[in-house]
Amino acid sequence: DTGVSQDPRHKITKRGQNVTFRCDPISEHNRLYWYRQTLGQGPEFLTYFQNEAQLEKSRLLSDRFSAERPKGSFSTLEIQRTEQGDSAMYLCASSSPRDRSNQETQYFGPGTRLLVL
Amino acid sequence: GQNIDQPTEMTATEGAIVQINCTYQTSGFNGLFWYQQHAGEAPTFLSYNVLDGLEEKGRFSSFLSRSKGYSYLLLKELQMKDSASYLCAVLYRNSGYALNFGKGTSLLVTP
Repeated sequence: DTGVSQDPRHKITKRGQNVTFRCDPISEHNRLYWYRQTLGQGPEFLTYFQNEAQLEKSRLLSDRFSAERPKGSFSTLEIQRTEQGDSAMYLCASSSPRDRSNQETQYFGPGTRLLVL
Repeated sequence: GQNIDQPTEMTATEGAIVQINCTYQTSGFNGLFWYQQHAGEAPTFLSYNVLDGLEEKGRFSSFLSRSKGYSYLLLKELQMKDSASYLCAVLYRNSGYALNFGKGTSLLVTP
């Protein structure tokens, strides 16, 4: 399968703990995005990388959140001191400016569902 | 974000046609996407519109009117497997590559 993959698929943690999620984009895609989705809502943009550079960050991304893409391939999203309000689905997407359909479509991974108790 | 509005829920019958509308703020518009999302799964890409008019892809079509800030997704010959949430997402020039999603329209297809 050459799609976007995310690990873990599910995570249950206690309030105050740190969690880290991983995303592996489609191999030739140089842009990588993180979104958060809560029940009954559309995904909300968190941050975006072009290669290893983090180019955009939403104001939703508090100082407890940090994302990295050290080698321009996979990315990690860490949440420190988790709160119950962090419970959500965390979606990763990737895209390429050389998309054959001449549009930059973002392709999503299956997501990591986080539950903070 | 950016006042992207879609109906919350719709119900339609198997074999019928359904139209899901989306309205958005026109200032800075830079493209519109439709995604399908089954419960607990990732959004999957359906269509993209950046110019006015209709884009057809099999049973699915998407229409855009930039001056009216309006799009619709048309699903023909509905199948039970089309029961899902349909997300309208807009790119704006002032938000780079960040997609701004509506809340989604939950479509239920009944026998």
